[in-house]
Amino acid sequence: GIQVEQSPPDLILQEGANSTLRCNFSDSVNNLQWFHQNPWGQLINLFYIPSGTKQNGRLSATTVATERYSLLYISSSQTTDSGVYFCAVGDSISGGYNKLIFGAGTRLAVHP
Amino acid sequence: DAGVTQSPTHLIKTRGQQVTLRCSPISGHKSVSWYQQVLGQGPQFIFQYYEKEERGRGNFPDRFSARQFPNYSSELNVNALLLGDSALYLCASSHDISGNTIYFGEGSWLTVV
Repeated sequence: GIQVEQSPPDLILQEGANSTLRCNFSDSVNNLQWFHQNPWGQLINLFYIPSGTKQNGRLSATTVATERYSLLYISSSQTTDSGVYFCAVGDSISGGYNKLIFGAGTRLAVHP
Repeated sequence: DAGVTQSPTHLIKTRGQQVTLRCSPISGHKSVSWYQQVLGQGPQFIFQYYEKEERGRGNFPDRFSARQFPNYSSELNVNALLLGDSALYLCASSHDISGNTIYFGEGSWLTVV
């Protein structure tokens, strides 16, 4: 099956700093999403980005499908950005359904 | 509009017991998926239901079962609970089966003692 690797596993930032999170995947996918899990367990969908670049406020994401990686950029980090960031990939065509395979996550702590 | 709602939010069960978790998708969404998240790991796919039919199943034992009702809500049942079933159980809904954008509920925290 598809393998998903995220780096770094842990990241500590001072408020205001920028960061880049990386997601590598082992096979072709037609579904790639980034999620943020807050300390209470809620998973929030950040981007659906199987290819290309998207931006939403201080967050942006780029997926290079041909090279099988995706990057999540966080600029001017805030304490509310703390939590775990997950990359999840899927191949909804061959299986006829949407099974997302999650990486192990990047645990981000932003200090004031 | 209400998001994905799950119940109960927290529960404690004893080994060998059975548990039922409930999920109501976002209005208009016809697909519901269930994921298990063990502490410190990413969520793992259990089931996807679309139009009341099972469309996908992950690598979980037969003790895990689910169903989807005509109003698109769903239940996840786990029989003969083991200590290792202790986890956060997440329900996600999407408008169609492709699930290009899926939305998660807040989850049900299950502790098996």
